[in-house]
Amino acid sequence: DVLMTQTPVSLPVSLGGQVSISCRSSQSLVHSDGNTYLHWYLQKPGQSPQLLIYRVSNRFSGVPDRFSGSGSGTDFTLKISRVEPEDLGVYYCLQSTHFPYTFGAGTKLELK
Amino acid sequence: EVQLQQSGAELGKPGTSVKLSCKVSGYNIRSTYMHWVNQRPGKGLEWIGRIDPANGNTIYAEKFKSKATLTADTSSNTAYMQLSQLKSDDTAIYFCAMRAHFDYWGQGVMVTVSS
Repeated sequence: DVLMTQTPVSLPVSLGGQVSISCRSSQSLVHSDGNTYLHWYLQKPGQSPQLLIYRVSNRFSGVPDRFSGSGSGTDFTLKISRVEPEDLGVYYCLQSTHFPYTFGAGTKLELK
Repeated sequence: EVQLQQSGAELGKPGTSVKLSCKVSGYNIRSTYMHWVNQRPGKGLEWIGRIDPANGNTIYAEKFKSKATLTADTSSNTAYMQLSQLKSDDTAIYFCAMRAHFDYWGQGVMVTVSS
């Protein structure tokens, strides 16, 4: 199985600040069709995960441009700028290039 | 508006089965894969498997091959997951999700296994 290593586990932030979350995979996430199926989600307390970024760098409908994704191959980053209270929660990366699909262990974004 | 409405919380005894449902509105499930994901208490997300409702084809994570059975009823636009031979470590929240990038998720259903 593809191991998704997400860091850091916990990320204290001040409102208005900027943060980055890393997600590294144990093998390349480039699919045979040429796409890279690496996605980012936010799970707020007591809620379902919500899609933020799909295929590395594409913002899902309604997601503010404060969120951006980048990376390639095995190394990916989610950046959040001008952090707002509604951004707090646990962030997960997911790879859907290889079966079984696998998630990172999560990064908890919390206030300093 | 796309909505996924999951069935209510389940309490199952060890060794028994439960069947969860995920009814979709605003989108024809024939046009998407339906995924199931679990989350054990205080833990992260784990992919269980997916079904193509158009033809019933399924793919499971290895550890769930003898645990979960995914089905779908296109006439009611509903996906199902049956969990068999329940054990205490099946206690978790189970989510359904759909579209290529898990664009939409159900609200989740708590399954508690206890005698």
